[in-house]
Amino acid sequence: AQSVSQHNHHVILSEAASLELGCNYSYGGTVNLFWYVQYPGQHLQLLLKYFSGDPLVKGIKGFEAEFIKSKFSFNLRKPSVQWSDTAEYFCAVRNAGNMLTFGGGTRLMVKP
Amino acid sequence: DGGITQSPKYLFRKEGQNVTLSCEQNLNHDAMYWYRQDPGQGLRLIYYSQIVNDFQKGDIAEGYSVSREKKESFPLTVTSAQKNPTAFYLCASSMRGRSSYNEQFFGPGTRLTVL
Repeated sequence: AQSVSQHNHHVILSEAASLELGCNYSYGGTVNLFWYVQYPGQHLQLLLKYFSGDPLVKGIKGFEAEFIKSKFSFNLRKPSVQWSDTAEYFCAVRNAGNMLTFGGGTRLMVKP
Repeated sequence: DGGITQSPKYLFRKEGQNVTLSCEQNLNHDAMYWYRQDPGQGLRLIYYSQIVNDFQKGDIAEGYSVSREKKESFPLTVTSAQKNPTAFYLCASSMRGRSSYNEQFFGPGTRLTVL
């Protein structure tokens, strides 16, 4: 069965620090990759997605992610976080069956 | 204003009772999904439906049931057979197929607590 691992369950950063959240998946076939964000009290929303082409994907609010096929990874990055980035972040993989498998999530707290 | 609505926002249930969670979408999406969110476990798929009058079990369907009589609606019933029903339940919808445009959109969720 396909699985998605997010290694950091809780991350605490100060404003302006750089962020990298890890995501690794187990599926060996063609995958589509996603990062979702859940701000406190808000709906889960899409940050960015990778389908094909340039493995460096840019999303909303200055986030980007890099797909490294050889490492089965899709890490999320942001050069300088803000207090408003405090949220829970989920990595997800869509396989040939068109279903999403989510990682366990990473709670990010940014201290002002 | 297009989107997905879930009701109620908070739901309390006594042990042994069935309860139904509502999910409605006006995005004209064919596919709808139910997920369960538990701390540290991310979202796990309960049931999904690609078309009206058809639905499939997800990874954790035991103790749950669904129906899809209308395109807009995909209610989830948490039955008394579900051993650990206290959780946050999320409904989602999408267009069908694997196009890059077919992302899943999520509702605000229902927090179910069994007393």
